Amino acid sequence: LAKTTQPISMDSYEGQEVNITCSHNNIATNDYITWYQQFPSQGPRFIIQGYKTKVTNEVASLFIPADRKSSTLSLPRVSLSDTAVYYCLVGNTGFQKLVFGTGTRLLVSP
Amino acid sequence: DTAVSQTPKYLVTQMGNDKSIKCEQNLGHDTMYWYKQDSKKFLKIMFSYNNKELIINETVPNRFSPKSPDKAHLNLHINSLELGDSAVYFCASSQSGGNTEAFFGQGTRLTVV
Repeated sequence: LAKTTQPISMDSYEGQEVNITCSHNNIATNDYITWYQQFPSQGPRFIIQGYKTKVTNEVASLFIPADRKSSTLSLPRVSLSDTAVYYCLVGNTGFQKLVFGTGTRLLVSP
Repeated sequence: DTAVSQTPKYLVTQMGNDKSIKCEQNLGHDTMYWYKQDSKKFLKIMFSYNNKELIINETVPNRFSPKSPDKAHLNLHINSLELGDSAVYFCASSQSGGNTEAFFGQGTRLTVV
């Protein structure tokens, strides 16, 4: 299983763009990259998933360089409600094989 | 409609007691999970069931016993509760095959006193 490394915490202000980078140097050819968000006192929630280049949905964008050894979750114009822990997961055999790392604790201030 | 529901939301009990946490999903998924999140916020998988069959059983004490009466339910029974069992337990479900997302319940905060 590919191990991931993320910053432990990040701080931002409302309205700013936040980019959280995840390193996964030993990602396998068939691995996908998935990000989950967890608010306090709630279960994790799927945000976005990608394999290469760029993926965008209504919540975030995911940028994956050609070597796929890292990925960046981009949250445009964050608000206070984006304060949460963001987990980067890498795997290729379905969710059951994915391992949650320590995640990145994002704090958005007014 | 709640996709993955757990009961109870909070559970306070004394050491040595036996307790159960129930989980139900209405998404039609064939795989369900139990995760434990400790005070340091690490999320660790405990069990995974696919079509009522155990497929993942991480290093969990025998006091923890999952039971899946059908694909939509995965209950967790804990015997002889210990102080170290205090944590938030999350149930989740997903559909097997490919890279599909998982849906988590709201969690059950277990406090052993």
